[in-house]
Amino acid sequence: TAGITQAPTSQILAAGRSMTLRCTQDMRHNAMYWYRQDLGLGLRLIHYSNTAGTTGKGEVPDGYSVSRANTDDFPLTLASAVPSQTSVYFCASSPSNTGELFFGEGSRLTVL
Amino acid sequence: GQNIDQPTEMTATEGAIVQINCTYQTSGFNGLFWYQQHAGEAPTFLSYNVLDGLEEKGRFSSFLSRSKGYSYLLLKELQMKDSASYLCAVRDSNYQLIWGAGTKLIIKP
Repeated sequence: TAGITQAPTSQILAAGRSMTLRCTQDMRHNAMYWYRQDLGLGLRLIHYSNTAGTTGKGEVPDGYSVSRANTDDFPLTLASAVPSQTSVYFCASSPSNTGELFFGEGSRLTVL
Repeated sequence: GQNIDQPTEMTATEGAIVQINCTYQTSGFNGLFWYQQHAGEAPTFLSYNVLDGLEEKGRFSSFLSRSKGYSYLLLKELQMKDSASYLCAVRDSNYQLIWGAGTKLIIKP
């Protein structure tokens, strides 16, 4: 069982370029999330989606956008990357907004 | 503001017992989670507490006191593979998870 898959695993990006991080789950979970993890800080929620067709802003949404066209996919787009977006990005899913989260393996992004 | 506090780092000996504490101040409470994260890997679910008391699952137990805004994760019979970061997270009144920065646990032989 694949569970939740993220791509790419790592990427180096020039500042000002755009980038889409892909996230796909095969568990038919309703809720999906994008987090960033930075050293010394807890996971911070960027955007979330409680069900296909809906999205919401998390704690740190600026500079990021998401879409949820179907249940399985939840891509995260950086329209114009800046160095402060250098981080490890985790996609997660949950059967509902009250259940445990299942995480992808993460995407390490470096913006130069 | 919302806040989750846990120690940055702890060291313990293989075969021993260690307790990792977590205190929280959040807007509402709808459950507390503990996750384990090995270096360079994704967090994985360990335990969930929504009522006061102790939840035991094998070598791991988690305790919650809602009135004190306090939880702990107890790891028994420590093994080298338990070296990891342990993340405490609280679900608030909006059902969003608020995460602590994690406790890095180092196990020595």
